[in-house]
Amino acid sequence: KQEVTQIPAALSVPEGENLVLNCSFTDSAIYNLQWFRQDPGKGLTSLLLIQSSQREQTSGRLNASLDKSSGRSTLYIAASQPGDSATYLCAGFQGGSEKLVFGKGTKLTVNP
Amino acid sequence: DTEVTQTPKHLVMGMTNKKSLKCEQHMGHRAMYWYKQKAKKPPELMFVYSYEKLSINESVPSRFSPECPNSSLLNLHLHALQPEDSALYLCASSHTDRQAKNIQYFGAGTRLSVL
Repeated sequence: KQEVTQIPAALSVPEGENLVLNCSFTDSAIYNLQWFRQDPGKGLTSLLLIQSSQREQTSGRLNASLDKSSGRSTLYIAASQPGDSATYLCAGFQGGSEKLVFGKGTKLTVNP
Repeated sequence: DTEVTQTPKHLVMGMTNKKSLKCEQHMGHRAMYWYKQKAKKPPELMFVYSYEKLSINESVPSRFSPECPNSSLLNLHLHALQPEDSALYLCASSHTDRQAKNIQYFGAGTRLSVL
């Protein structure tokens, strides 16, 4: 059974800092890994998806990497801004399944 | 257009009421999902529809009844809910081809309060 863990649970940084959010998963048969952003009381916004054959994806100031052998993914945010404050969730598809398994998220606060 | 539209945005209902949540997408996706999210918790999968057929039911109580009348529309019928069912209900959709990029796109959710 796939389990996804995110560390830290919360992170507070000053504006402009580069930061890394971590996600680990137990089943290396993970198919795709997706990073989401969720603002309070809102739905999920998809940020990046890394397919199992890829090692990283980039979108603007965001870079996500996937290392299946170690069971880890990281989300790198460059030059953080107060508007980046949100909860970031990673989720992985278990191989052969349409079920997306979520981590508990990292709540990011970027202070002006 | 990568939009998944959910209505209503907010819903308050009594334990004897019958109500429905609606989800719509026009991306040509053939997989649609219902998730339940409690405060400060990750989303939990409830149901998956693939090509308008129910493919996954995560042991959800029968007071929640999903329906997929066509490939663009997904409903969740609610009846005799309990206060602990109060949560954010999220709908998502994706392509079903597992060999291709399979991003799940989420709606903004329906905030449900059961009194």
